[in-house]
Amino acid sequence: QVQLVQSGAEVKKPGASVKVSCKASGYTFTSYGISWVRQAPGQGLEWMGWISAYNGNTNYAQKLQGRVTMTTDTSTSTAYMELRSLRSDDTAVYYCARVGSSWYFDYWGQGTLVTVSS
Amino acid sequence: QSVLTQPPSASGTPGQRVTISCSGSSSNIGSNTVNWYQQLPGTAPKLLIYSNNQRPSGVPDRFSGSKSGTSASLAISGLQSEDEADYYCAAWDDSLTEVFGGGTKLTVL
Repeated sequence: QVQLVQSGAEVKKPGASVKVSCKASGYTFTSYGISWVRQAPGQGLEWMGWISAYNGNTNYAQKLQGRVTMTTDTSTSTAYMELRSLRSDDTAVYYCARVGSSWYFDYWGQGTLVTVSS
Repeated sequence: QSVLTQPPSASGTPGQRVTISCSGSSSNIGSNTVNWYQQLPGTAPKLLIYSNNQRPSGVPDRFSGSKSGTSASLAISGLQSEDEADYYCAAWDDSLTEVFGGGTKLTVL
């Protein structure tokens, strides 16, 4: 069965960086892309970007350009999302999701809470 | 301010049919397919409807989706208490970004 298992919760200070991992299993990792979506407390979903697990091509949300980097390690079927220069409004639950063939997010990780606080 | 517009709340009684609307523009819903996600309290979102009206395996046929022009809607028939959740519509936008609705909180009375 398809599973995406994310790394644990993080607490960071403003200005720091965070790197969240998403380990995939149950399917051929390089046949699908991975998107990252975040959800601030009590708020809706916000798309952060996408990475092709096949060739590493990326597409980031404009508002995060320059602060976010998405990578994959095909040897371990793991995707990573690094966010730099953290601010308090980056406090959110971060989700990875597998991207289906017609651009839909068919499997989601359990989420990783990132708290940015001084 | 979300790019796709959804009502913040909806409600119904058990057995009733409810619909949730999602309004966009020509650059997103008008030219790309719509997906719907269900988020139960404290859990990750789950794909409910993809490509406007397709149900993934395991999703009951009580859930249906439709799209017309720059709007889409999700219908839930035979409402059950376990349907109480947040529902989000989403679509690809031609500005090369995925856009979501603000979410609709469904209450089963």
